[in-house]
Amino acid sequence: GENVEQHPSTLSVQEGDSAVIKCTYSDSASNYFPWYKQELGKRPQLIIDIRSNVGEKKDQRIAVTLNKTAKHFSLHITETQPEDSAVYFCAAGYSGNTPLVFGKGTRLSVIA
Amino acid sequence: NAGVTQTPKFQVLKTGQSMTLQCAQDMNHEYMSWYRQDPGMGLRLIHYSVGAGITDQGEVPNGYNVSRSTTEDFPLRLLSAAPSQTSVYFCASSSSWFAEAFFGQGTRLTVV
Repeated sequence: GENVEQHPSTLSVQEGDSAVIKCTYSDSASNYFPWYKQELGKRPQLIIDIRSNVGEKKDQRIAVTLNKTAKHFSLHITETQPEDSAVYFCAAGYSGNTPLVFGKGTRLSVIA
Repeated sequence: NAGVTQTPKFQVLKTGQSMTLQCAQDMNHEYMSWYRQDPGMGLRLIHYSVGAGITDQGEVPNGYNVSRSTTEDFPLRLLSAAPSQTSVYFCASSSSWFAEAFFGQGTRLTVV
């Protein structure tokens, strides 16, 4: 089955700096790669996703890149703000009959 | 617009007790799943369903049962609670396995 590795497990950045979180996946059939943000005590919520026919997608300060050949994808957050502090999860899915497989998460702390 | 509703929000059980975690969604989603979240372990899949009457096991199914008698409801049953089942449980629903997953607010379960 699919296996998703996520790095780093914790990340601290100064406010205004950029943050990058990386994930690798094992199943070359995977074609859907979402990112979820989970604030303390809250539920995970989708912030951005990318499909395998696209190499990069941006939404204001966040962007995701996908390299299908290397089987990795990354989340980029620019001009970080304290409200970006949260746990971020990457996931991989494919057009089979099984749910998303999640990485173990990255705890991002933005220091003011 | 309720989305995915989980009850209860908190629960304390004694070892050996049984209970049912409720999950209901009002988005007419066929795809539903249960995850448990433990520190450093990310979101691990317990059971999932692709429609009424259809369920299957995920990564960590032991000690849990599910049923799906209606599109809206997907309850998770703990048969005989063990301290190892202390965790935060999330129910999620989506229109497909490669579309946004909507999570419930979570149930924090402690087994003593």
